Amino acid sequence: NAGVMQNPRHLVRRRGQEARLRCSPMKGHSHVYWYRQLPEEGLKFMVYLQKENIIDESGMPKERFSAEFPKEGPSILRIQQVVRGDSAAYFCASSPQKTGGMDTQYFGPGTRLTVL
Amino acid sequence: AQKITQTQPGMFVQEKEAVTLDCTYDTSDPSYGLFWYKQPSSGEMIFLIYQGSYDQQNATEGRYSLNFQKARKSANLVISASQLGDSAMYFCAMREPFQGAQKLVFGQGTRLTINP
Repeated sequence: NAGVMQNPRHLVRRRGQEARLRCSPMKGHSHVYWYRQLPEEGLKFMVYLQKENIIDESGMPKERFSAEFPKEGPSILRIQQVVRGDSAAYFCASSPQKTGGMDTQYFGPGTRLTVL
Repeated sequence: AQKITQTQPGMFVQEKEAVTLDCTYDTSDPSYGLFWYKQPSSGEMIFLIYQGSYDQQNATEGRYSLNFQKARKSANLVISASQLGDSAMYFCAMREPFQGAQKLVFGQGTRLTINP
């Protein structure tokens, strides 16, 4: 059973360009979470999605950032007009459909975004 | 308010010794979950162990155990018989589902170095 897949693993963009980060959850998982990790810091929650729905986007910056999880295909985190402060590791995690218990979130390998 | 506190930025331990990584948390929710993740230098986030707030016994997974002291709001990770491969960043995280939040809140992490 393949784990959470993220691509690309490394992404370099110049200021003002767009960055698209992809995440394919584990098989059977319908919940996707995106986190951002700045150097030497812990992960910070950005957004929680289920298929075709954004459930919680309380951690998303109000401008330039958007996320989607379409019915078919991977979840996409999109950053428009990137700035140097967007340089970070972006992690995707997935969990199975909520059963009322405490589902563990399994993380992908992350995408390291560098903005020049 | 800081939800998760890891007070040890770095720790150095001799190989084969046991090590305890500290984690304290803050919540008013009676139902919550506590997680530990390992982040080696390669960058991925590896799930180690989970403790639910209603669990009667401390969680164990191989060489990992969680010293859960509910009244003190602490959830320390204990690694027995440390190995060189245990050198990594370790993050404690909490989830409060009854708050309507499925996100994980992470501490700042502890960098563990195992010396031969």
